[in-house]
Amino acid sequence: DAGITQSPRHKVTETGTPVTLRCHQTENHRYMYWYRQDPGHGLRLIHYSYGVKDTDKGEVSDGYSVSRSKTEDFLLTLESATSSQTSVYFCAILGRSNTGELFFGEGSRLTVL
Amino acid sequence: GESVGLHLPTLSVQEGDNSIINCAYSNSASDYFIWYKQESGKGPQFIIDIRSNMDKRQGQRVTVLLNKTVKHLSLQIAATQPGDSAVYFCAESGNSGGSNYKLTFGKGTLLTVNP
Repeated sequence: DAGITQSPRHKVTETGTPVTLRCHQTENHRYMYWYRQDPGHGLRLIHYSYGVKDTDKGEVSDGYSVSRSKTEDFLLTLESATSSQTSVYFCAILGRSNTGELFFGEGSRLTVL
Repeated sequence: GESVGLHLPTLSVQEGDNSIINCAYSNSASDYFIWYKQESGKGPQFIIDIRSNMDKRQGQRVTVLLNKTVKHLSLQIAATQPGDSAVYFCAESGNSGGSNYKLTFGKGTLLTVNP
């Protein structure tokens, strides 16, 4: 258990509303990631962070922003949700070993009506 | 087998048989590969990894084979059990430990184990 908590675990919202998903970790890991998972696409990287206030885009970053104001929290924001952003969102952290293994949270299911 | 760009393939095996799940990757610069298992409703979990300077690595009931010549990765599960039923993803990285470290995932293979 890498001490990762995602919230909310489930959310239903309407098109055009803002949504923020939170990833919280308790073990002071430097690297944190947000992925989305959709049928037929597997896991795709949205944004990642390599330190406080250090973030970078992944392959599907359009329509998303992130913030990392402290080590333990990595926030994913949809400024104006669209139906195409209906998905399961996974947060991950990079373990301390030099293997490069990612540890994933349990996921946040977002439905945009 | 699994490859980026294809729909989720499926593999159905009998309990006790060996399973082989395949993955093709496209980035010849990738130097680190991981297999993940994802059970329904849960996040992916690490199974086994391998670096590009190796061609085989064994774990408990699992073996990963890497063929860099044809950019192919496989996961072998011995004596498959019903608890092995899940979606399996391969992932690759070209910069292990670097400042922009990130994994690229394949689309996954659904393994179903029949009792």
